[in-house]
Amino acid sequence: DTAVSQTPKYLVTQMGNDKSIKCEQNLGHDTMYWYKQDSKKFLKIMFSYNNKELIINETVPNRFSPKSPDKAHLNLHINSLELGDSAVYFCASSLGTGSASSYEQYFGPGTRLTVT
Amino acid sequence: DAKTTQPPSMDCAEGRAANLPCNHSTISGNEYVYWYRQIHSQGPQYIIHGLKNNETNEMASLIITEDRKSSTLILPHATLRDTAVYYCIVRVVGNKLVFGAGTILRVKS
Repeated sequence: DTAVSQTPKYLVTQMGNDKSIKCEQNLGHDTMYWYKQDSKKFLKIMFSYNNKELIINETVPNRFSPKSPDKAHLNLHINSLELGDSAVYFCASSLGTGSASSYEQYFGPGTRLTVT
Repeated sequence: DAKTTQPPSMDCAEGRAANLPCNHSTISGNEYVYWYRQIHSQGPQYIIHGLKNNETNEMASLIITEDRKSSTLILPHATLRDTAVYYCIVRVVGNKLVFGAGTILRVKS
């Protein structure tokens, strides 16, 4: 079974559209994350949720809105897509409490978003 | 900004040990050293972490200098599948991971 899964794997859309990326983890983790990896391959955190509560919100345009219906899911909704949003988006999860080991993050396979 | 410095790339012969260095001269006493890797087109994968002592698991060994200003990740018998970008990250437990540029390790037959 896949530990952290994302759908879709590829997403091609036009500027101005609204799209969502879904993430699910079956590890029983409390904390989930969204990262963006741009064309220069730098990986940056966008958001983090712990037990459905937002705990990290980096400087991200408010067109990006994470939603966590339960602690196993963290979806990313993007409004009014722009060319600069083209990137690979990774979801991750961690146990989130206790020892240093509990903060190991497990990443999904990524969603490649292309805005034309 | 990442608090670590890594060489941009390294080559290693298949079957040999790969030693990946990382400098973290400004590391704080409560910051751990984490290593992740990213194989092409995949999500990053956790490898190992440590605070002061050397650590070993089924994937790798982590050697941290006594002053904690640098560390080395050792893949004892590199295979072609170990070709990836390796990220050295320092952080306080519970804080966000800040990824730098990493080291591109090329394992060659």
